[in-house]
Amino acid sequence: EADIYQTPRYLVIGTGKKITLECSQTMGHDKMYWYQQDPGMELHLIHYSYGVNSTEKGDLSSESTVSRIRTEHFPLTLESARPSHTSQYLCASGEGISLSGANVLTFGAGSRLTVL
Amino acid sequence: AQSVSQHNHHVILSEAASLELGCNYSYGGTVNLFWYVQYPGQHLQLLLKYFSGDPLVKGIKGFEAEFIKSKFSFNLRKPSVQWSDTAEYFCAVRSGSARQLTFGSGTQLTVLP
Repeated sequence: EADIYQTPRYLVIGTGKKITLECSQTMGHDKMYWYQQDPGMELHLIHYSYGVNSTEKGDLSSESTVSRIRTEHFPLTLESARPSHTSQYLCASGEGISLSGANVLTFGAGSRLTVL
Repeated sequence: AQSVSQHNHHVILSEAASLELGCNYSYGGTVNLFWYVQYPGQHLQLLLKYFSGDPLVKGIKGFEAEFIKSKFSFNLRKPSVQWSDTAEYFCAVRSGSARQLTFGSGTQLTVLP
């Protein structure tokens, strides 16, 4: 079954640690996205990719980095985590802007990161 | 830049009550509009979408939304809510030549049995 997977679902780590949040999709979508979601706030786009070896920063500035070496895989890395990075991170994929101008996204379950 | 406003942060209703969640956007040109829903412990998923044509769109589980261009609105409605509709609802817009979706801050709906 086509889907999008995020691991870990929950992560609690200490300040200064390096972490990688994994995201994989089996739908063959070219476009992938990382959003940051805090309670009561908008989903903020932090990174996106339109294909292999293509990555861009989103609207919200983030100290994280991403890579897109394979179509199905879009990991997010924090080199040195801080308490301000505590948030939920949502990965999504989509076919991007179709001929109709649509942009329908499929979301993963999210990774909730807590930095102590 | 496009923006989306959801003025109701938390709505509490009893079962069988009617629902209307507000969504307003800022862009005046061509828009694609979406409502996404996140049930407790589940993925964010598409509820309904508007691309063009009939401004009244119907989605899953009896939800509908009406695009009113003159009011820059895309309100979500359901005539009779159920306990299982308890979830967080996000409005999103892609406007003009923008390549990305912009999401609202979400509305938490709690339906009391």
